[in-house]
Amino acid sequence: AQSVAQPEDQVNVAEGNPLTVKCTYSVSGNPYLFWYVQYPNRGLQFLLKYITGDNLVKGSYGFEAEFNKSQTSFHLKKPSALVSDSALYFCAVPGGYQKVTFGTGTKLQVIP
Amino acid sequence: DTEVTQTPKHLVMGMTNKKSLKCEQHMGHRAMYWYKQKAKKPPELMFVYSYEKLSINESVPSRFSPECPNSSLLNLHLHALQPEDSALYLCASSRGGKDNEQFFGPGTRLTVL
Repeated sequence: AQSVAQPEDQVNVAEGNPLTVKCTYSVSGNPYLFWYVQYPNRGLQFLLKYITGDNLVKGSYGFEAEFNKSQTSFHLKKPSALVSDSALYFCAVPGGYQKVTFGTGTKLQVIP
Repeated sequence: DTEVTQTPKHLVMGMTNKKSLKCEQHMGHRAMYWYKQKAKKPPELMFVYSYEKLSINESVPSRFSPECPNSSLLNLHLHALQPEDSALYLCASSRGGKDNEQFFGPGTRLTVL
Protein backbone atom coordinates (compact mmCIF):
# COMPACT_ATOMS: atom_id res chain seq x y z
CA ALA A 1 0.00 0.00 0.00
CA GLN A 2 1.14 3.52 -0.76
CA SER A 3 1.75 5.66 2.29
CA VAL A 4 3.52 8.75 3.57
CA ALA A 5 4.69 9.62 7.05
CA GLN A 6 5.20 13.01 8.62
CA PRO A 7 7.27 12.40 11.75
CA GLU A 8 6.74 15.83 13.31
CA ASP A 9 3.39 17.03 14.60
CA GLN A 10 4.73 20.56 14.91
CA VAL A 11 7.72 22.51 13.71
CA ASN A 12 8.70 25.86 15.17
CA VAL A 13 11.04 28.18 13.32
CA ALA A 14 12.03 31.80 13.73
CA GLU A 15 11.02 34.25 11.04
CA GLY A 16 13.79 34.61 8.47
CA ASN A 17 15.32 31.22 9.22
CA PRO A 18 15.18 28.31 6.78
CA LEU A 19 12.42 25.80 7.36
CA THR A 20 12.06 22.10 6.68
CA VAL A 21 8.94 19.99 6.99
CA LYS A 22 9.70 16.30 6.73
CA CYS A 23 7.95 13.59 4.76
CA THR A 24 8.97 10.02 4.04
CA TYR A 25 7.17 7.72 1.66
CA SER A 26 6.55 4.06 1.05
CA VAL A 27 5.37 3.32 -2.48
CA SER A 28 5.80 0.65 -5.09
CA GLY A 29 7.14 1.74 -8.43
CA ASN A 30 7.84 5.33 -9.31
CA PRO A 31 6.38 7.66 -6.71
CA TYR A 32 4.14 10.62 -7.33
CA LEU A 33 4.39 12.93 -4.31
CA PHE A 34 2.52 16.07 -3.37
CA TRP A 35 2.58 18.82 -0.77
CA TYR A 36 -0.51 20.74 0.27
CA VAL A 37 -0.91 23.60 2.75
CA GLN A 38 -3.97 24.45 4.81
CA TYR A 39 -4.33 27.87 6.37
CA PRO A 40 -6.69 28.22 9.36
CA ASN A 41 -10.36 27.73 8.46
CA ARG A 42 -9.54 27.17 4.79
CA GLY A 43 -9.38 24.31 2.34
CA LEU A 44 -6.14 22.70 1.25
CA GLN A 45 -4.01 24.40 -1.38
CA PHE A 46 -1.64 22.57 -3.70
CA LEU A 47 2.00 23.64 -3.26
CA LEU A 48 4.06 21.36 -5.49
CA LYS A 49 4.48 17.84 -6.79
CA TYR A 50 7.14 15.40 -7.88
CA ILE A 51 6.34 13.27 -10.88
CA THR A 52 9.67 12.56 -12.48
CA GLY A 53 12.86 14.33 -13.47
CA ASP A 54 14.69 16.92 -11.40
CA ASN A 55 14.93 15.95 -7.74
CA LEU A 56 14.46 19.57 -6.64
CA VAL A 57 10.92 20.69 -7.25
CA LYS A 58 9.91 24.34 -6.99
CA GLY A 59 6.42 25.35 -6.02
CA SER A 60 4.21 28.18 -4.88
CA TYR A 61 5.07 30.89 -2.34
CA GLY A 62 8.83 30.19 -2.53
CA PHE A 63 8.57 26.59 -1.34
CA GLU A 64 10.59 23.76 -2.79
CA ALA A 65 10.93 20.08 -2.05
CA GLU A 66 13.77 17.66 -2.50
CA PHE A 67 13.05 14.13 -3.67
CA ASN A 68 15.56 11.66 -2.27
CA LYS A 69 15.11 8.13 -3.55
CA SER A 70 17.75 6.52 -1.35
CA GLN A 71 16.22 7.97 1.81
CA THR A 72 12.63 7.69 0.51
CA SER A 73 12.05 11.27 1.55
CA PHE A 74 10.34 14.31 0.08
CA HIS A 75 11.03 17.14 2.52
CA LEU A 76 9.48 20.56 2.04
CA LYS A 77 11.83 23.52 2.37
CA LYS A 78 11.94 27.28 2.23
CA PRO A 79 15.09 29.40 2.57
CA SER A 80 13.51 32.13 4.70
CA ALA A 81 10.33 31.58 6.71
CA LEU A 82 7.57 34.17 6.95
CA VAL A 83 5.03 34.49 9.74
CA SER A 84 2.38 34.06 7.06
CA ASP A 85 3.76 30.56 6.33
CA SER A 86 2.29 29.39 9.64
CA ALA A 87 -0.19 26.70 8.63
CA LEU A 88 -0.83 22.97 8.50
CA TYR A 89 1.17 21.09 5.87
CA PHE A 90 0.23 17.74 4.38
CA CYS A 91 2.37 15.41 2.33
CA ALA A 92 0.35 13.15 0.02
CA VAL A 93 0.67 10.22 -2.37
CA PRO A 94 -1.85 8.61 -4.76
CA GLY A 95 -3.35 5.82 -2.65
CA GLY A 96 -5.20 3.91 -5.30
CA TYR A 97 -7.62 4.52 -8.12
CA GLN A 98 -8.73 8.16 -7.77
CA LYS A 99 -7.67 8.23 -4.12
CA VAL A 100 -5.07 10.27 -2.30
CA THR A 101 -3.40 9.21 0.92
CA PHE A 102 -2.49 12.16 3.11
CA GLY A 103 0.09 12.23 5.85
CA THR A 104 -0.97 13.11 9.36
CA GLY A 105 0.01 16.74 8.88
CA THR A 106 2.65 19.01 10.38
CA LYS A 107 1.76 22.29 12.00
CA LEU A 108 4.32 24.93 11.12
CA GLN A 109 4.63 27.81 13.54
CA VAL A 110 6.82 30.72 12.42
CA ILE A 111 7.78 32.87 15.38
CA PRO A 112 8.25 36.62 14.80
CA ASP B 1 -10.86 30.11 -13.30
CA THR B 2 -8.99 27.79 -10.90
CA GLU B 3 -11.43 28.10 -8.07
CA VAL B 4 -13.67 25.60 -6.35
CA THR B 5 -16.55 27.27 -4.53
CA GLN B 6 -18.58 25.86 -1.69
CA THR B 7 -21.77 27.04 -0.05
CA PRO B 8 -22.65 27.66 2.67
CA LYS B 9 -19.50 28.55 4.59
CA HIS B 10 -21.10 27.66 7.88
CA LEU B 11 -24.08 25.46 8.69
CA VAL B 12 -25.72 24.66 12.00
CA MET B 13 -28.39 22.01 11.95
CA GLY B 14 -30.39 19.86 14.31
CA MET B 15 -30.39 16.10 14.14
CA THR B 16 -33.78 16.02 12.44
CA ASN B 17 -33.02 18.62 9.76
CA LYS B 18 -32.37 18.11 6.07
CA LYS B 19 -29.79 20.35 4.47
CA SER B 20 -27.51 20.33 1.43
CA LEU B 21 -23.94 21.38 0.77
CA LYS B 22 -23.05 22.67 -2.67
CA CYS B 23 -19.81 22.68 -4.63
CA GLU B 24 -18.99 24.12 -8.03
CA GLN B 25 -15.96 24.14 -10.32
CA HIS B 26 -15.49 25.51 -13.83
CA MET B 27 -12.09 24.02 -14.64
CA GLY B 28 -13.50 21.18 -16.71
CA HIS B 29 -12.27 18.65 -14.18
CA ARG B 30 -13.71 15.16 -14.59
CA ALA B 31 -13.23 14.04 -10.99
CA MET B 32 -14.91 15.58 -7.96
CA TYR B 33 -14.54 14.61 -4.33
CA TRP B 34 -16.15 15.04 -0.92
CA TYR B 35 -13.95 14.91 2.15
CA LYS B 36 -14.65 15.18 5.86
CA GLN B 37 -12.01 16.80 8.02
CA LYS B 38 -11.78 16.94 11.79
CA ALA B 39 -9.63 19.56 13.48
CA LYS B 40 -5.89 19.16 12.91
CA LYS B 41 -6.42 15.87 11.06
CA PRO B 42 -5.98 15.00 7.38
CA PRO B 43 -9.05 14.98 5.16
CA GLU B 44 -10.95 11.68 5.04
CA LEU B 45 -12.32 10.71 1.66
CA MET B 46 -16.08 10.19 1.52
CA PHE B 47 -17.11 10.05 -2.15
CA VAL B 48 -15.57 10.33 -5.61
CA TYR B 49 -17.41 11.16 -8.80
CA SER B 50 -15.82 10.49 -12.14
CA TYR B 51 -17.52 11.78 -15.28
CA GLU B 52 -20.59 12.55 -13.16
CA LYS B 53 -20.90 8.98 -11.92
CA LEU B 54 -20.27 7.83 -8.39
CA SER B 55 -17.10 5.76 -8.50
CA ILE B 56 -16.10 5.55 -4.85
CA ASN B 57 -18.16 5.47 -1.65
CA GLU B 58 -15.91 4.98 1.34
CA SER B 59 -18.60 3.18 3.35
CA VAL B 60 -20.19 6.46 4.31
CA PRO B 61 -23.44 6.25 6.35
CA SER B 62 -26.60 6.69 4.32
CA ARG B 63 -27.45 9.90 6.15
CA PHE B 64 -24.95 11.45 3.70
CA SER B 65 -26.20 11.35 0.12
CA PRO B 66 -24.08 12.73 -2.73
CA GLU B 67 -25.38 13.99 -6.04
CA CYS B 68 -23.67 15.20 -9.19
CA PRO B 69 -26.25 17.08 -11.32
CA ASN B 70 -23.69 17.97 -14.01
CA SER B 71 -19.97 18.11 -14.63
CA SER B 72 -19.56 21.37 -12.69
CA LEU B 73 -21.74 20.76 -9.66
CA LEU B 74 -21.56 18.46 -6.69
CA ASN B 75 -24.03 18.31 -3.83
CA LEU B 76 -24.00 16.56 -0.49
CA HIS B 77 -27.43 16.02 1.02
CA LEU B 78 -27.56 15.68 4.78
CA HIS B 79 -30.34 14.08 6.81
CA ALA B 80 -30.63 12.92 10.41
CA LEU B 81 -27.02 13.67 11.22
CA GLN B 82 -25.34 12.98 14.52
CA PRO B 83 -23.27 15.40 16.61
CA GLU B 84 -20.14 13.44 15.69
CA ASP B 85 -20.73 14.44 12.08
CA SER B 86 -19.74 17.98 12.98
CA ALA B 87 -16.64 18.75 10.91
CA LEU B 88 -15.27 20.73 7.98
CA TYR B 89 -16.60 19.30 4.71
CA LEU B 90 -14.32 19.86 1.77
CA CYS B 91 -15.04 19.55 -1.89
CA ALA B 92 -12.22 19.04 -4.39
CA SER B 93 -11.79 18.49 -8.10
CA SER B 94 -9.03 17.28 -10.37
CA ARG B 95 -8.29 16.24 -13.93
CA GLY B 96 -7.99 12.72 -12.60
CA GLY B 97 -5.00 10.44 -12.83
CA LYS B 98 -2.26 9.85 -10.29
CA ASP B 99 -0.11 12.75 -11.44
CA ASN B 100 -2.72 15.49 -11.11
CA GLU B 101 -3.23 17.57 -8.03
CA GLN B 102 -6.56 18.26 -6.43
CA PHE B 103 -8.09 21.71 -6.13
CA PHE B 104 -9.97 22.24 -2.89
CA GLY B 105 -12.81 24.54 -1.98
CA PRO B 106 -12.75 26.53 1.27
CA GLY B 107 -15.07 24.07 2.96
CA THR B 108 -18.33 24.15 4.86
CA ARG B 109 -18.05 24.19 8.64
CA LEU B 110 -20.91 21.96 9.83
CA THR B 111 -22.17 21.87 13.38
CA VAL B 112 -24.81 19.32 14.35
CA LEU B 113 -26.66 20.07 17.53
